[in-house]
Amino acid sequence: DGGITQSPKYLFRKEGQNVTLSCEQNLNHDAMYWYRQDPGQGLRLIYYSQIVNDFQKGDIAEGYSVSREKKESFPLTVTSAQKNPTAFYLCASNDPGQHQETQYFGPGTRLLVL
Amino acid sequence: DAKTTQPNSMESNEEEPVHLPCNHSTISGTDYIHWYRQLPSQGPEYVIHGLTSNVNNRMASLAIAEDRKSSTLILHRATLRDAAVYYCILRDTKYYGNNRLAFGKGNQVVVIP
Repeated sequence: DGGITQSPKYLFRKEGQNVTLSCEQNLNHDAMYWYRQDPGQGLRLIYYSQIVNDFQKGDIAEGYSVSREKKESFPLTVTSAQKNPTAFYLCASNDPGQHQETQYFGPGTRLLVL
Repeated sequence: DAKTTQPNSMESNEEEPVHLPCNHSTISGTDYIHWYRQLPSQGPEYVIHGLTSNVNNRMASLAIAEDRKSSTLILHRATLRDAAVYYCILRDTKYYGNNRLAFGKGNQVVVIP
């Protein structure tokens, strides 16, 4: 089935550690996105990529990094510079050529700090 | 940026229709109105979208005001599975062409058996 997968479902980070969240899609979408969601809040955009080897910062990019070496993959690294990383992280993708701009979301990764 | 205003939460009885309002008084002419919903501990899922005309699909209906400054998502017969946070979203016009969607806090819909 076509869709977006995120792994792991739960991730624990120790103090000063970098961790990487995986996002893979087989929808042949050019654009991919990373969002962060805190309890009781909406989604906030971290980074997005419109095409392979290109990405832009979203609203809360500090303490995060991404890469887009392959069309189907958009991993997010939460660095030690992110002082409050505990949150629910959501990856999404869509086809920018479609004007209706529907985004398809993965199941999310919940990051917890030990 | 064009923004939306929704109630924080609503209650509905099971098997009754639910009308979810959304105000977007600063909407621009080319903004599409999108609705997504998010079930607990899951990623959001697309529900419906529209530009000017009312829209229907298997999940819901979208009624758009003539002046486009408000819209209403209609769930025709609420089930317990419809309990979720519903987001009314406009395409972010500040970043034309890159498909950003600005999610607010949404409307928490509670369905009472």
